[in-house]
This record gives sequence, C-alpha cells and structure tokens, in this order.
Amino acid sequence: AQTVTQSQPEMSVQEAETVTLSCTYDTSESDYYLFWYKQPPSRQMILVIRQEAYKQQNATENRFSVNFQKAAKSFSLKISDSQLGDAAMYFCAYSRETSGSRLTFGEGTQLTVNP
Amino acid sequence: EAQVTQNPRYLITVTGKKLTVTCSQNMNHEYMSWYRQDPGLGLRQIYYSMNVEVTDKGDVPEGYKVSRKEKRNFPLILESPSPNQTSLYFCASSYQGLAGFTQYFGPGTRLTVL
Repeated sequence: AQTVTQSQPEMSVQEAETVTLSCTYDTSESDYYLFWYKQPPSRQMILVIRQEAYKQQNATENRFSVNFQKAAKSFSLKISDSQLGDAAMYFCAYSRETSGSRLTFGEGTQLTVNP
Repeated sequence: EAQVTQNPRYLITVTGKKLTVTCSQNMNHEYMSWYRQDPGLGLRQIYYSMNVEVTDKGDVPEGYKVSRKEKRNFPLILESPSPNQTSLYFCASSYQGLAGFTQYFGPGTRLTVL
C-alpha cells in the first residue's frame, strides 16, 4: 500500500521569507500524481499544486513551487515571499489513479506565519 | 457555481443512533469519495464510487455504508455510530479530463458521537 509521510508536524516562517515543507512517499508505481493541499481555519481543502510523475519539470504556481525527486520519492513544497494568508495546515497527497478517485494523504504540517 | 455540498455541516449524536450525511455535486462528475480527517492522521479514504451503482472500499470502511443511486449524490451512512467515529468528514468529486483530473472537496461535516 502506498504511504505518504510528512515529518514536520509544525513549521513557522517570518512574513516575506521562504519556507519548505517536506513530504516523502512510498510506491512501486511508475506513473502517479502528487499534490499539496492547503486547509485554512475554514477547513476548506484547497488544491495548491500538483505534479505528474512522468513530468521531469517541477511544477510552479506563483509563489508555490515543488522539488520533485522521483528516485528519492520526495516531494517538497516551497513557499516564497510568505504571506499571513499562507498560514494553514498543508497536506501532501498521492494518487495513482488518473481519475483522482483515490488519494492517500500525509499527516499534515501546520504552518504559522509570523508578522 | 460548481460545488460539492454536504449536510449537515455539524452534527452531535449519541452512540447507536443511525445517521446519514448527504453529499451532492452539480458538476456531473463520475467519481466521488468520502474521507475522514483526524488529528495526526491526515485524511483517510472511507469509500469511493466510480459511477452510479459502482462503489468500493477505501482504507477505513468499517462502520460505514454508502450508496450511489444517482450520479450527483453519494450519501454516507453510519448504521450504529460509535465514539471512535467522531471526526471531520469530507466528500469529494472528480472527473478525468484531457489535462488529467480535477478534484473538488465539500466544506466538511463535523460529527461528534457521544
């Protein structure tokens, strides 16, 4: 079974600084999808960024980028120019289904942004 | 507006009293899922459905039932709730497009079983 591990239960960053959240996963598949979701205090699940395993180029979305290391099974999220609104729980997730019907999530990392 | 709705948003009940949490999506998605979120465990999949009348167990199906009689609805049924089912529940729907899939989550249902 696939597993996703986030080894940092809590992280903090100063406003305008950069922070990196770590995620590792275990799979025997060669094709799969990886995601970072943000969950603010409202509890809504918001997709931040996604990465297809067959793509070598790291995904970026504005201030958010990933470092995808397929051989190491590592998928870290970098947030640049951190803003107060970035404070949230962040979940790393894996899916081998092209439909997205089955997601395996990590434990989550609570990010605090200090003014 | 494209959305996934869940009802109720909050529910406090007692052990053994059957309950249903409804989930509905207005995007004609084939795939729907239920997850539960617990501190330190992230989200874990309970059940998922690939289409009408097609469902399968996720990682933590014990104590839950689902049905998919209509494409838009995917209710979660707790026949005899127990305190260990106290959790935050999310419904999600997704479709597979040319650029991969897109998944939408509902707003969550906070369930407390006393």
